[in-house]
Amino acid sequence: ETGVTQTPRHLVMGMTNKKSLKCEQHLGHNAMYWYKQSAKKPLELMFVYNFKEQTENNSVPSRFSPECPNSSHLFLHLHTLQPEDSALYLCASSQGSGAGADTQYFGPGTRLTVL
Amino acid sequence: GQNIDQPTEMTATEGAIVQINCTYQTSGFNGLFWYQQHAGEAPTFLSYNVLDGLEEKGRFSSFLSRSKGYSYLLLKELQMKDSASYLCAVLDSNYQLIWGAGTKLIIKP
Repeated sequence: ETGVTQTPRHLVMGMTNKKSLKCEQHLGHNAMYWYKQSAKKPLELMFVYNFKEQTENNSVPSRFSPECPNSSHLFLHLHTLQPEDSALYLCASSQGSGAGADTQYFGPGTRLTVL
Repeated sequence: GQNIDQPTEMTATEGAIVQINCTYQTSGFNGLFWYQQHAGEAPTFLSYNVLDGLEEKGRFSSFLSRSKGYSYLLLKELQMKDSASYLCAVLDSNYQLIWGAGTKLIIKP
C-alpha cells in the first residue's frame, strides 16, 4: 500500500462512452499527477496539480479532462476516446514543495481498454 | 532531446547478483530515481541519487556518475519476488521527471 488509491482498477469502454477515473491520496501531499503508461514505453506525464492548481498539461488531447477538487482527490474524465488511448493510467502524489527533488508515490493504476 | 536508456529485459538466477544500467542525456540534472514495478501494481520508490557514488539500502544499491551520465541499480541475493520492472527517471533542470521505458527483470530458480 503506497497511500494512493485508484478506482476503478479495470475499465472497458466504447469510443462514445463517458467515464471517469478517480484517485485519492492519504499522504497529506499537495501535488498530484496523472500519467499514461503504455507497454515498453516511458511513463508519459499528462497533468500536474499543485495545491489544486493545474501547473502542467503536456499537450494532452481534450478528450482527457482532469479535475482536482482538493489536494487529496484527482479525477480524469474521459470522453470519445480512441483505441490508442488504451493503456495503464497511473496517479501519483508528492509533497509538492515547489522546489527540489520531490519523490512521487504512485497508485496501482487503472487498466483502460477502449473498444 | 532528452533521453533515458535502459535495457528492455534481463534474466538472472535466484541467489545471484544483477546490475541494471541506466544512461541519460537530459537538460540539466537534479537527481536520479529508481522505482520498482511489479506487474499490475504501482511503481514503488527504491532510491534517489544526486551525488556521485554508491548508496546502499539492504540488498539493493544504486550508483551514480554524473560526469558519465550513468547510473546502475545493483540487486544482490536475488529472490523470486524481485521479478519486476525497474524504472529509471531523471529530474531535469526544470525539476521535470524524465522516465526510461523500464527494464523487465526475470528471475529463474
